[in-house]
Amino acid sequence: QVQLVQSGAEVKKPGASVKVSCKTSGYTFISYGISWVRQAPGQELEWLGWISAYNGHSNYNTNYAQKVRGRVTVTRDTSTSTAFMELRSLRSDDTAVYYCARDSSSWGGRFDYWGQGTLVTVSS
Amino acid sequence: DIQMTQSPSSLSASVGDRVTITCQASQDISNYLNWYQHKPGKAPKLLIYDATNLEVGVPSRFSGSGSGSDFTFTIISLQPEDIATYYCQHYDNVPFTFGPGTKVDIK
Repeated sequence: QVQLVQSGAEVKKPGASVKVSCKTSGYTFISYGISWVRQAPGQELEWLGWISAYNGHSNYNTNYAQKVRGRVTVTRDTSTSTAFMELRSLRSDDTAVYYCARDSSSWGGRFDYWGQGTLVTVSS
Repeated sequence: DIQMTQSPSSLSASVGDRVTITCQASQDISNYLNWYQHKPGKAPKLLIYDATNLEVGVPSRFSGSGSGSDFTFTIISLQPEDIATYYCQHYDNVPFTFGPGTKVDIK
C-alpha cells in the first residue's frame, strides 16, 4: 500500500532552517511528483511547492508558491524514495504542520496520498 | 492568484441528511478542482478529483459537480464518520490554492 512517512517534530529559532523528510513506499517513486502543503494553527491549508516525476530529460521540474519562493527548496532522492522540503530564514508565522503528498497531476496539484504531518515550531 | 471561496463555513446536520457545500473560484478553472476531507490530527484525504471523479475507495455517498468557476460537493446521506472539515482546491495553475474549509458536524 502507498505510504508516506515524515520525519519528527522540530523546534527552531527564528532565522534558522528546517529540513523535513518524507519517505515513500508502495509505489514507483520516480513516476509521481511530490507536493508540500502546510497548515498553520487555525488557518487553511497552504500549498508550498512541488517537484515533478522524473521527466526523462533534465531530471525533475520544481515550482513554488510566491509567498515562500527563495526560502524553500524541494528535492528528492531516488535511491531512498525520499523527498525533502527545506525552509530557510524561519519566522514565527512559519509555525505549522507540514505535509508531504504524492502528486498525481503532471503539472502538480492533485494530492492523492499524504504523509502524517510534521509539526514545525518556530520560537525564540 | 486564484482565490477560492466556500460556503457555508460550518454546518450542523442530522445523520442521514443530505449535505451540500459550494465552492467558487475567482476565475474559470475548467474542471481542475479537488475536494478533501480533513479530520483533526490526521492527514487530509482526497475524495473527489477533477470536479466530479470519485477517488478509488471513497464511499459513493460523496459526489462532486460543476465546472468553470462554480462547484458543489454533496454527501447524500451524512454518517457519523463524516465529521470533518472539507476543503476545495484548484490546480489550474500555481499557486494551488485551497478554500477556507467547511466544518461539518452532527446535530
